Amino acid sequence: SAVISQKPSRDICQRGTSLTIQCQVDSQVTMMFWYRQQPGQSLTLIATANQGSEATYESGFVIDKFPISRPNLTFSTLTVSNMSPEDSSIYLCSVGVGQYTGELFFGEGSRLTVL
Amino acid sequence: GENVEQHPSTLSVQEGDSAVIKCTYSDSASNYFPWYKQELGKGPQLIIDIRSNVGEKKDQRIAVTLNKTAKHFSLHITETQPEDSAVYFCAALLQEAGTALIFGKGTTLSVSS
Repeated sequence: SAVISQKPSRDICQRGTSLTIQCQVDSQVTMMFWYRQQPGQSLTLIATANQGSEATYESGFVIDKFPISRPNLTFSTLTVSNMSPEDSSIYLCSVGVGQYTGELFFGEGSRLTVL
Repeated sequence: GENVEQHPSTLSVQEGDSAVIKCTYSDSASNYFPWYKQELGKGPQLIIDIRSNVGEKKDQRIAVTLNKTAKHFSLHITETQPEDSAVYFCAALLQEAGTALIFGKGTTLSVSS
């Protein structure tokens, strides 16, 4: 397993601003993913964070809106840019360890409210 | 791509009863099917999973069954307790693809004492 720490745990932001969420893992991991969970909804994959290269984004998500960095095997950031109220969600970092076979571990999430 | 349907969206049971949540998937090549439990204000936690080479897996009060032909899998919780109350998500994955899980829409389980 892995222990995943996300910062901030929650924040209230103003429309038009940007916020960077950090994900720190206690061990080197193979895979890192970012998910969004809108209020009362399921988890939607935003992108795969690739170590040392550009993230791989899912349909409907673009780099200009959700830039992602992953400088090493234990850390990643997700920025939510030019926020609007529709971006109010929980953003979750998840990781796969070892020889990745699908098992994902999740952080506690970062709850963003955009006013 | 993969699509996962989950039913029911809400489920209310009495303590001690059994609860069953069902999911169907679209990609016949998918071969990994986990279930996650999410309590209020927390991240999802893996509670049980099954791979396509088996039909059933049990862990104490929790079991998962898989029907590859019909492309559906189910979560069974027996002797439910109030602490089982949470949102449960099923997911599916083609593990060789090295991709992330695709989740169902979730089931809110309420266990009343």
